[in-house]
Amino acid sequence: AQSVTQPDIHITVSEGASLELRCNYSYGATPYLFWYVQSPGQGLQLLLKYFSGDTLVQGIKGFEAEFKRSQSSFNLRKPSVHWSDAAEYFCAVGADNNNDMRFGAGTRLTVKP
Amino acid sequence: DTEVTQTPKHLVMGMTNKKSLKCEQHMGHRAMYWYKQKAKKPPELMFVYSYEKLSINESVPSRFSPECPNSSLLNLHLHALQPEDSALYLCASSQWTGNQPQHFGDGTRLSIL
Repeated sequence: AQSVTQPDIHITVSEGASLELRCNYSYGATPYLFWYVQSPGQGLQLLLKYFSGDTLVQGIKGFEAEFKRSQSSFNLRKPSVHWSDAAEYFCAVGADNNNDMRFGAGTRLTVKP
Repeated sequence: DTEVTQTPKHLVMGMTNKKSLKCEQHMGHRAMYWYKQKAKKPPELMFVYSYEKLSINESVPSRFSPECPNSSLLNLHLHALQPEDSALYLCASSQWTGNQPQHFGDGTRLSIL
């Protein structure tokens, strides 16, 4: 079965600074990769997804992610963080041959003024 | 605004009560999911319905009973819950299962007294 590791439990960045959140996956075939964001008291919102094709994926709210097969990674980036980006971020991996999506443990983002 | 609607938003119940959580989507999705999320943890998959048939039950205790009356509705019937069942219960839907991105509701915050 597929699995996901998010090495950073908590990251703090200053507003306006760049951001990179790490995600490593484990899966034998081509994975289907997702980044979700969860604000306090709310459900998860899809930021972006990778299925195939261009390895640099653009998402909503100015986020992008790059799929690197050689590193089994799918890191999320944003060039300039806004205070409203403070939230919990989950990387997830899905597969063709099963019906469930596996989430990483999440990275909590704090944005300093 | 979320496209997956969950009711109620909050629920407090005793261990002997019977209650139901409801989830509705009108996106024409044919897969629906229940997740349980404890504080500061990722969502844990409980059940998956595909074309109104239960396709995954992740060894969930029988005090949780899912029901999918039609392709737009998903219920979770609760009976004789334990305090450790207190959590955020998230519903999600996708076009079909496997590699499709899931759309989440804002959840029901459940507290067991």
